[in-house]
Amino acid sequence: EVQLVESGGGLVQPGGSLRLSCAASGIVFSTYAINWVRQAPGKGLEWVSGISGSGYNTNYADSVKGRFTISRDNSENTLFLQMNNLRAEDTAVYYCAKGMRELLDPDYFQHWGQGTLVTVSS
Amino acid sequence: DIQMTQSPSTLSASVGDRVTITCRASQSINTWLAWYQQKPGKAPKLLMYEASSLESGVPSRFSGSGSGTEFTLTISSLQPDDFATYYCQQYHSYSPGWTFGQGTKVEIK
Repeated sequence: EVQLVESGGGLVQPGGSLRLSCAASGIVFSTYAINWVRQAPGKGLEWVSGISGSGYNTNYADSVKGRFTISRDNSENTLFLQMNNLRAEDTAVYYCAKGMRELLDPDYFQHWGQGTLVTVSS
Repeated sequence: DIQMTQSPSTLSASVGDRVTITCRASQSINTWLAWYQQKPGKAPKLLMYEASSLESGVPSRFSGSGSGTEFTLTISSLQPDDFATYYCQQYHSYSPGWTFGQGTKVEIK
């Protein structure tokens, strides 16, 4: 059974930093691209970032480019999202989502974690 | 950028009703479209991919159709477990990223 478990969310002040993790099990982790998708309170889904199975290729939404960094440790089956210079509009539940492909090719998301809440507020 | 527009935003229906949700893309995405169901406090769940392929384990009362710019998700006979919010997602072009529709909430009439 595929499991994705996020952690690391919490309350942070504007301008602060936070690092999210997503631990995967039940898959050969390095053979799948993984993405972060967020959902602001009461709002829809927004793709944030993606990383290829090898970790060599990454993509970011314009709204987070230059502030967020996605990475992965394939030896630990874990995905990360380093979030710096956080803003109030980054407040959301952050989901990790696994697609079907190894590369950052067009893809849909077959498996999702349960999400971790990030609140940016003073 | 590819924009995805769903209609209606909210839909009131009764158990047993046939329900149709529409998703329109701002440019052709062939059949590179997925549908998700989300219940309050839960992660989205994949229902359909490639516009009309049913994900394993999803009840056959769900069906999808369309190509190009117009797509539909149909629930043939609405069940109590189906009251939720539904999202479409295009994966034809990095737009940047994979864009979602704004969601359609199916609520009890």
